[in-house]
Amino acid sequence: NAGVMQNPRHLVRRRGQEARLRCSPMKGHSHVYWYRQLPEEGLKFMVYLQKENIIDESGMPKERFSAEFPKEGPSILRIQQVVRGDSAAYFCASSKHPTNEKLFFGSGTQLSVL
Amino acid sequence: KNEVEQSPQNLTAQEGEFITINCSYSVGISALHWLQQHPGGGIVSLFMLSSGKKKHGRLIATINIQEKHSSLHITASHPRDSAVYICAAENSGGSNYKLTFGKGTLLTVNP
Repeated sequence: NAGVMQNPRHLVRRRGQEARLRCSPMKGHSHVYWYRQLPEEGLKFMVYLQKENIIDESGMPKERFSAEFPKEGPSILRIQQVVRGDSAAYFCASSKHPTNEKLFFGSGTQLSVL
Repeated sequence: KNEVEQSPQNLTAQEGEFITINCSYSVGISALHWLQQHPGGGIVSLFMLSSGKKKHGRLIATINIQEKHSSLHITASHPRDSAVYICAAENSGGSNYKLTFGKGTLLTVNP
């Protein structure tokens, strides 16, 4: 019974390149959430998705960031034209329901922008 | 907007000691989460509580809704408990995902 799987664990990009972060939720979970942890700061909510739907993207930066959770395959967090300030740990979590439940987190993707 | 404060920021203990990590928040919440983040980054959800007290093994979490305060206790601490402990507030009327996170408490337990 695999947990939440994120890949890659580490991703290095040069400024201006695109970063794609993947998240496969726990089996049976249809709710996926992305969080960002900037150096020396707490985790911050970015986006909540269900299959084929973005439910809440109020934490997403307005430009360059997008997320999807297709019918088949993992959820993808995409950052276009990365800048140094995007360097952070990005965590994905999943749950069976969006309320009254613990979240199950992945191991995160550490993005470094050179 | 909820503000979540944790104390202490850093805590060093000797193996076997009783540990307390505190968390306070500024506005009413529906639940409080305690998370553990190990070196290497993975995050594990330890507790989700909205009142009273929960216990799991050597870990105990308590919450006082009136005082807007929660504590995480570790009894008979062990070096493998070394990690960052994060509390996160789930705002009233919100959902479990839109949490306000504290900055974490780095716990080091020495043998």
